[in-house]
Amino acid sequence: GQQVMQIPQYQHVQEGEDFTTYCNSSTTLSNIQWYKQRPGGHPVFLIQLVKSGEVKKQKRLTFQFGEAKKNSSLHITATQTTDVGTYFCAGIMEYGNKLVFGAGTILRVKS
Amino acid sequence: DAGVIQSPRHEVTEMGQEVTLRCKPISGHNSLFWYRQTMMRGLELLIYFNNNVPIDDSGMPEDRFSAKMPNASFSTLKIQPSEPRDSAVYFCASSIGASSYEQYFGPGTRLTVT
Repeated sequence: GQQVMQIPQYQHVQEGEDFTTYCNSSTTLSNIQWYKQRPGGHPVFLIQLVKSGEVKKQKRLTFQFGEAKKNSSLHITATQTTDVGTYFCAGIMEYGNKLVFGAGTILRVKS
Repeated sequence: DAGVIQSPRHEVTEMGQEVTLRCKPISGHNSLFWYRQTMMRGLELLIYFNNNVPIDDSGMPEDRFSAKMPNASFSTLKIQPSEPRDSAVYFCASSIGASSYEQYFGPGTRLTVT
């Protein structure tokens, strides 16, 4: 079936270190969304990328969409304890009609 | 704005019992999504509605699961009969359009079937 692969599954960083999670699809995506879920909470929308090669920033967060629209990344600069949670990418296949979520990357930050 | 409302927040039931989960989407949103989240399978889309009509139910596990959206402000997900493997967190989400728009998730219902 249609899948969106996300790595790493888990990352534990020291506060102040950078963090990156990667998302890959075997088929072209029409768009990709990123969500954050705090422990015990629900997914919260962060951003959507639509254009090939698109880069968007939200304060310390940088989102990229690959040139081939098959991969994406989320980079957090200088992590803080408030960044802890699970980060999900979710994409719509080029000829599809539903959002397919990656497995998520769990981020833990040591202070 | 109240956001997406789900009830109950927690449900514990015995195997074989019927379970009904409820969702009220954000007013003005015309798409509604039901997801199931487990450690093993992650976040899975079960079904989604657009303008109260089911568009894709390919994620519904089996005939024991059914979902309805009788009007724009209410949806239910029913499991009958429930089984222990149905234990999960069930999220409802809504959006102003189809899947290409950002989705607003409710707080979820944590279901435990013993």
